[in-house]
Amino acid sequence: QKEVEQNSGPLSVPEGAIASLNCTYSDRGSQSFFWYRQYSGKSPELIMSIYSNGDKEDGRFTAQLNKASQYVSLLIRDSQPSDSATYLCAVTTYNFNKFYFGSGTKLNVKP
Amino acid sequence: KAGVTQTPRYLIKTRGQQVTLSCSPISGHRSVSWYQQTPGQGLQFLFEYFSETQRNKGNFPGRFSGRQFSNSRSEMNVSTLELGDSALYLCASSSTTVGETQYFGPGTRLLVL
Repeated sequence: QKEVEQNSGPLSVPEGAIASLNCTYSDRGSQSFFWYRQYSGKSPELIMSIYSNGDKEDGRFTAQLNKASQYVSLLIRDSQPSDSATYLCAVTTYNFNKFYFGSGTKLNVKP
Repeated sequence: KAGVTQTPRYLIKTRGQQVTLSCSPISGHRSVSWYQQTPGQGLQFLFEYFSETQRNKGNFPGRFSGRQFSNSRSEMNVSTLELGDSALYLCASSSTTVGETQYFGPGTRLLVL
C-alpha cells in the first residue's frame, strides 16, 4: 500500500465549477498535509498546508482534513483554465522524518 | 528572499558518464531534499540532508549520492548513468525539518542518451 494515494485523473470540470481533489494516506500518525500544484514542465509550487482537522480556506482554495478517515481534499471554487495542472498531495509522518508525495491528479478546466 | 536555485537547468549526458547537480536552498533553510520525477513514477524521494548530514534516504541504488556543505548548498551525483536516469531532478528546501513546508527549485532536466 502506498503512503499517499490519489486518483490520477484526468479530472475535467467546466470553467466556473468547483473542482474537488482527494487524497488518502496510510499512516494514521501523519502530522502535516500539503497541496502542491505543478504545471507541465515546471516544479511543484505550494498551494496550501493544513495541520488540524477541519477546513482551511485561502482565496478560491479550501483544504479539508479528516484524520479519522485519513483523507485530505482540496476544493477549487470558480475554477479557471489557468488552474489546469497536476495537483500533488504530500504528507509527513509523525516524527517529521519523511515527506511522502502522491502521484498527483491531473485537472483540466475547460473554457 | 530568493527562492531555491538549481544548476544546471538542462543537461545531456551519455550512458556510463557521471553527473553532478547543484542546489542552493532559500537563505536560512538548512534542510535540502532531492527528488527524481519521471512521467511513469511520479516524485520519488532520493535523500535529505540537514546540517551536512544525510538524514533520510530513499530506495535508489548507490550510484546516486549527495552531500551538503556548511552553507547548506547541496550537490547530488549520479555515477555510471543509465538511460532510465533521464528525469527531472528536483531539490526542495525547508527551514529545519523535512516535515515543514518544502519549497522546490526549478529542477534540472537530465537526458541520458
